[in-house]
Amino acid sequence: SSELTQDPAVSVALGQTVRITCQGDSLRSYYASWYQQKPGQAPVLVIYGKNNRPSGIPDRFSGSSSGNTASLTITGAQAEDEADYYCNSRDSSGNLVVFGGGTKLTVL
Amino acid sequence: QVQLQESGPGLVKPSQTLSLTCTVSGGSISSGSYYWSWIRQPAGKGLEWIGRIYTSGSTNYNPSLKSRVTISVDTSKNQFSLKLSSVTAADTAVYYCARGLELSGTLNSWGWFDPWGQGTLVTVSS
Repeated sequence: SSELTQDPAVSVALGQTVRITCQGDSLRSYYASWYQQKPGQAPVLVIYGKNNRPSGIPDRFSGSSSGNTASLTITGAQAEDEADYYCNSRDSSGNLVVFGGGTKLTVL
Repeated sequence: QVQLQESGPGLVKPSQTLSLTCTVSGGSISSGSYYWSWIRQPAGKGLEWIGRIYTSGSTNYNPSLKSRVTISVDTSKNQFSLKLSSVTAADTAVYYCARGLELSGTLNSWGWFDPWGQGTLVTVSS
């Protein structure tokens, strides 16, 4: 089982705001990174560090962290944001990489 | 910009060794403080980290796979490789290679994987 817990599925109405969460003890001292994966494609980094977006990622994507929970927020969700989202951090030892189980985002 | 491309057999027989190579283009595999990872994804399931290697040769592996995994690097070819022994049907997955980076601040650390290769499907079947 993963040391990072994500809700399996979340839905949002077009144009509304949605928060996808990731829980794990390592997140108290480690900022999660977030990846978007569309069917048949490789994951794409959308948020890293405290709240950083790689070049080309729309500013409607943002990240935050509180305690043992990291969040990815999409403000004004678009149809093209429908995808699986994975968080990534380290295990309790801090030496190994772990991924959350993923959240399937549906844009209604 | 740096690009990664996986290559290797798409079909492996049970009990044999899966071997994949990731070729890095657009930059040197030895530049910066990056490490190089393998990540896999069975059909319809989530991402599973397999392991990583630094160009110094230092490695870390997922404990669940550690006894069967070897990751190596060939800086002269700008490539790194994965070997997974004694494969079973449970090892059937899309295998991705990715570049990783870890940073540390005063209170927090952080890291990420970027870029990723396009992925290659490996099926374990007789």
